[in-house]
Amino acid sequence: KAGVTQTPRYLIKTRGQQVTLSCSPISGHRSVSWYQQTPGQGLQFLFEYFSETQRNKGNFPGRFSGRQFSNSRSEMNVSTLELGDSALYLCASSGGRGMGLSGANVLTFGAGSRLTVL
Amino acid sequence: QKEVEQNSGPLSVPEGAIASLNCTYSDRGSQSFFWYRQYSGKSPELIMFIYSNGDKEDGRFTAQLNKASQYVSLLIRDSQPSDSATYLCAVQMRFGAGTRLTVKP
Repeated sequence: KAGVTQTPRYLIKTRGQQVTLSCSPISGHRSVSWYQQTPGQGLQFLFEYFSETQRNKGNFPGRFSGRQFSNSRSEMNVSTLELGDSALYLCASSGGRGMGLSGANVLTFGAGSRLTVL
Repeated sequence: QKEVEQNSGPLSVPEGAIASLNCTYSDRGSQSFFWYRQYSGKSPELIMFIYSNGDKEDGRFTAQLNKASQYVSLLIRDSQPSDSATYLCAVQMRFGAGTRLTVKP
């Protein structure tokens, strides 16, 4: 069973540019959530998509956006990059069948996309 | 006030000891609680989840939940050097900052 796949794994951008990150969830998982991880702030919730709809949103500016496609694959976009956007961006999927109410919320993470903004 | 708070540590215990990790949360209506482990350079992976008050045991790990006190904990018995990692408490989809645990041989 394939895990959560994130692309690209590493990327370097300059301030002002924009970036798009991709996440393919585990087959059968309908929920995809995105997190930003930095040494100082830990793992911060960006947003969650379920069946192509944003279901939850964290406290990030509007420069951070996302979407989910009908096959559950998700993308997140960051526009007008700032130096502080340098981080590891993690995607997680959940919602597998047969896991029960709470088990269905168990997150399986991808390896992450490490973004460096110069 | 952060939604999920953990002692940032670091926490150091000798091999074979019990490691105790604590977490508090602010949303009284929270229903699902998770502990994840993250090794350096790796992604978080689930240790266990709990949703009812009381204890839940899985091998050397015990999660404890007290909804009245808005408190979740994780106990690791017979700690091993391989348990050295950052432990992340998650409530619903929000994570604490993590507690770095080092188990010394």
